[in-house]
Formats: sequence, C-alpha cells, structure tokens
Amino acid sequence: KAGVTQTPRYLIKTRGQQVTLSCSPISGHRSVSWYQQTPGQGLQFLFEYFSETQRNKGNFPGRFSGRQFSNSRSEMNVSTLELGDSALYLCASSLMGAPDTGELFFGEGSRLTVL
Amino acid sequence: GENVEQHPSTLSVQEGDSAVIKCTYSDSASNYFPWYKQELGKGPQLIIDIRSNVGEKKDQRIAVTLNKTAKHFSLHITETQPEDSAVYFCAASRTSGTYKYIFGTGTRLKVLA
Repeated sequence: KAGVTQTPRYLIKTRGQQVTLSCSPISGHRSVSWYQQTPGQGLQFLFEYFSETQRNKGNFPGRFSGRQFSNSRSEMNVSTLELGDSALYLCASSLMGAPDTGELFFGEGSRLTVL
Repeated sequence: GENVEQHPSTLSVQEGDSAVIKCTYSDSASNYFPWYKQELGKGPQLIIDIRSNVGEKKDQRIAVTLNKTAKHFSLHITETQPEDSAVYFCAASRTSGTYKYIFGTGTRLKVLA
C-alpha cells in the first residue's frame, strides 16, 4: 500500500512569490491535515480537510490556504511568501479524521526555502 | 490556547541506557496521546500511543505512562540502540468535538555507541 506522497520535495522561492504544494493521501483515507515544521517550534497545525471541506484551521494568516479534491488529494498554497515561511511542510492523512482522529500517517514533506 | 510542553529538547545517552522524555498538556479534553519518531529526511511515524482510560502501555523496549490528573505523559525507551537516534514528538488530541491535535516541540535523542 503506497504511503503519503508529497510533491515537490524541495523548492526555492523568492519573497513575494507564491507556492503550491501537493499531497496524495493513503488510498481510502479521507482526512488530510497540513503542518509546518520549523526548528524549535515543532509541528504547527495549518488546516485539516475531510471530504473536500476544510473542517479546522490553525492560527496562520490568510496567505496560507488549501483545498481538497474529490479523490482526497490536497493542495496547500502560500501567497506573498515571506522569509519566515521557510520550513518543512508536512502532510498527514488519516482514515477518519476529526473527531475520531487516531494515527496520522505523514509524508516526507516539502522543504520550502524562501530567499 | 492549548499547548503541549516537551522536555528535554535534546538528550544524549549511552547505548544500552534508558531514555525518558516528558510532556505536559493543557487541554483537559485531550484523551489520545501518541508519540512520533522522525528520522532524518523522513516524516514523523507513530511508535506508540495511549488513550486516557489506560495508565501505561508497553511495546517491547518502549513504554508510555499517563497521569491524567497531573496532565503528564512520558515516553520510556529501555536498552537504547544507535537506531533509536531521532527526533521524538509527543502529541495530545481529542477524539470528540473540535479537532485539536497538538504536538510538542520535539526531543532530539542521540544514542552514543
């Protein structure tokens, strides 16, 4: 069974640009959540999608957005990039999602560097 | 807002010794406490979890204990091996109501051969 796939794995952008990251969950998983990982901050929750609906959102500015498609694949977008957006962005899928969220299955992440 | 505090941030132990990582959570509605291991270049992977109706759970060399009254939970690794070297994250989550899956800030464990 294929795991969670994130693309691209690495990317470099400049301030002011925008970026779109993609996540394909494990087959059959309907919940996809996104996390930002930075040194010293751990994993910060961005948002969670279930059946194409954003059900929960973390404390990030409106420049961070996402969506989920009918096949459960998800994308997140960051507009007007800032230096502080440099991070590893992790996608996780789970079978049921909230409220009965148990194990999260993570992808290997997309490492974004903003210059 | 709710948070999870994790200590220590780095931990070095000799191979064969035990390692203990501690977490404290603030959301009293949390009832699911997983631990994830993240190896270099990989995403976090669940290694053990515990629910609030259980005080302790063990799986071979790893164990987790939970004190709901004090809102503390801990990861114990015995007979550490070099392959245990990684970053470990605790998390606290609810399984009802609003989605709250909050991670600690991580512990970098180094097992010295």
